[in-house]
Amino acid sequence: GAGVSQSPRYKVAKRGQDVALRCDPISGHVSLFWYQQALGQGPEFLTYFQNEAQLDKSGLPSDRFFAERPEGSVSTLKIQRTQQEDSAVYLCASSLGLAGRGTDTQYFGPGTRLTVL
Amino acid sequence: GENVEQHPSTLSVQEGDSAVIKCTYSDSASNYFPWYKQELGKRPQLIIDIRSNVGEKKDQRIAVTLNKTAKHFSLHITETQPEDSAVYFCAASTRTTSGTYKYIFGTGTRLKVLA
Repeated sequence: GAGVSQSPRYKVAKRGQDVALRCDPISGHVSLFWYQQALGQGPEFLTYFQNEAQLDKSGLPSDRFFAERPEGSVSTLKIQRTQQEDSAVYLCASSLGLAGRGTDTQYFGPGTRLTVL
Repeated sequence: GENVEQHPSTLSVQEGDSAVIKCTYSDSASNYFPWYKQELGKRPQLIIDIRSNVGEKKDQRIAVTLNKTAKHFSLHITETQPEDSAVYFCAASTRTTSGTYKYIFGTGTRLKVLA
């Protein structure tokens, strides 16, 4: 079946612009995660959704970052007033069950590479 | 905060030799340890995982071992092939203050298999 998809795959923004990154999780997956991956580093957790509820946003680096999943399926990560330090790959992952168990496999999308000039 | 350390950062092996990547984690409550392979510009792909109630798991040329007491886990690849060349990430599932779990990733190991 279809895996996790993300769009756009590449985004170039001028400093100060707002951007919106989309994630389509695997159909039926309850849990959705956003990660930020800097060049040469491992993914770092940003936020977690259980269906439409955002249960953990402890990894969001500033109040310029906002995520939503209004119908419990597609999610959007929005970054306002982008800065150069926001340049990274933004990965989305989904898992079938609840993150409350801790043992569910997360399946990743291909990521969106954001470059802020 | 919780963290995962991964070593080595780069590893070169001759085709056919074995490769070992090691990780340590800090959260004693971590209960799930996946390993991902990421090729350049591609998504991380799960290659093997282990749960905290198991000490070892094997899948063809790939195996993972877990030592809960020492909070260590390792990836073993035998009979390496050029297509094994990629960056490998370990992760530990750690409990958050909201009662859910999230992955903490290591910094990655770039494996090069020389033909």
